[in-house]
Parts: sequence; C-alpha cells; structure tokens
Amino acid sequence: GAGVSQSPSNKVTEKGKDVELRCDPISGHTALYWYRQSLGQGLEFLIYFQGNSAPDKSGLPSDRFSAERTGGSVSTLTIQRTQQEDSAVYLCASSPNSNQPQHFGDGTRLSIL
Amino acid sequence: RKEVEQDPGPFNVPEGATVAFNCTYSNSASQSFFWYRQDCRKEPKLLMSVYSSGNEDGRFTAQLNRASQYISLLIRDSKLSDSATYLCVVTASGGSYIPTFGRGTSLIVHP
Repeated sequence: GAGVSQSPSNKVTEKGKDVELRCDPISGHTALYWYRQSLGQGLEFLIYFQGNSAPDKSGLPSDRFSAERTGGSVSTLTIQRTQQEDSAVYLCASSPNSNQPQHFGDGTRLSIL
Repeated sequence: RKEVEQDPGPFNVPEGATVAFNCTYSNSASQSFFWYRQDCRKEPKLLMSVYSSGNEDGRFTAQLNRASQYISLLIRDSKLSDSATYLCVVTASGGSYIPTFGRGTSLIVHP
C-alpha cells in the first residue's frame, strides 16, 4: 500500500524566502510527526498531531516555524524567512496511534543559500 | 541525563560476527520500544518492536530490561548489508506520547 509521501523531495531557496513542505500520511493513521535531521546528527522532534487534539508544538525551534494538518490527513510545515541554519532534511512520519511504530516518508532535503 | 542514550560507535565488525547494542532510557514510565535502522541519507525504517518477553526476527534479537531501563539489539551472523545506523525509540505512557529517538549506533560490517 501507499506509504508516507513527502513533497518536494528537494528544495533549494534563498535566505529570507518562505518555504512550505507537504506530508501525506498513510491513510487511517491518526498520529503525524515532523522531524528534522541535519547531516550526521540525530532526529530533532518538531511537532506532533494526534487526531483532533491540539498539536504538540514543543519542538518548534522558533516562531518562524508553523505546521497545520487539515482534515486529519495532509500536513504542511511552513518555514518563514528561512535562515541558513534551517538547511536540513525534514522528515514526516505517521502511525496508527502514538504507541505504534512510525512510518517515515523519504524526507524533503532543504537547502538555504 | 539524556532521555534515551546510545553508544554512537562505530562498531566495526567482520562478516559473520555477532554484535550487540544497548540503549538506556531515563523515564521509568516508558512503555513502547522499537529499533529502527537508518542507511546513509535515507529515512529511518522500522527494524523491530521490542516486547517485554524479548523477541526474535531471523538474525535479530531484541530484549527489554525494565529493572535496569535498557533495551538491547543482538545481530548474529552479520552481513555487509547490516551496515547502517541503528536507532532506538522509546515512548512513555502519560504526557504527550512523543516517541524519543536515540542518536543512533553506527555499525560497519567489513569483509
């Protein structure tokens, strides 16, 4: 079946521009997570959506980062006024619920020039 | 103390060797445990869940020690294709249920 789909696969943009990353989770998965991973580093948690509950935004590094999940399915992560330190791979994962293993998308490789 | 800790390695072993990794966690309320593998520049992929009684999947054995708060992964008869970073993931009950990832242990299997 279809896995977690992320788009775009790669994004190169200039410093100061806004970017929007998309995640289409596995159908029926109520939990959705965003992470980022810099080269050679571990996964950094960003935000977590569970069903209709308020999202857990505790991992967002600054107010330039925001995310939403419409209709309990597709999620978008928006980064405003991008900075070079935002360059990383942004990974989305979904799971049937929070105690089940996560399934990851291929990620979006973001490069800020 | 970090919530989930792993020895970063690398563990450098010959083909056919047996290798084991541990992962310690600090939250005694943790209830879900998993091992993932991540290949270079790829997304993490689930390797196996870890059950209280321990579980095996082919050459891979996972165990949980609640008293000492660690999980382990044993790989027997290592293959070149086992070379990857192995991530442990722990989810605590209560709170926000956000899974916590370890930084990973790097394994290099050489001929």
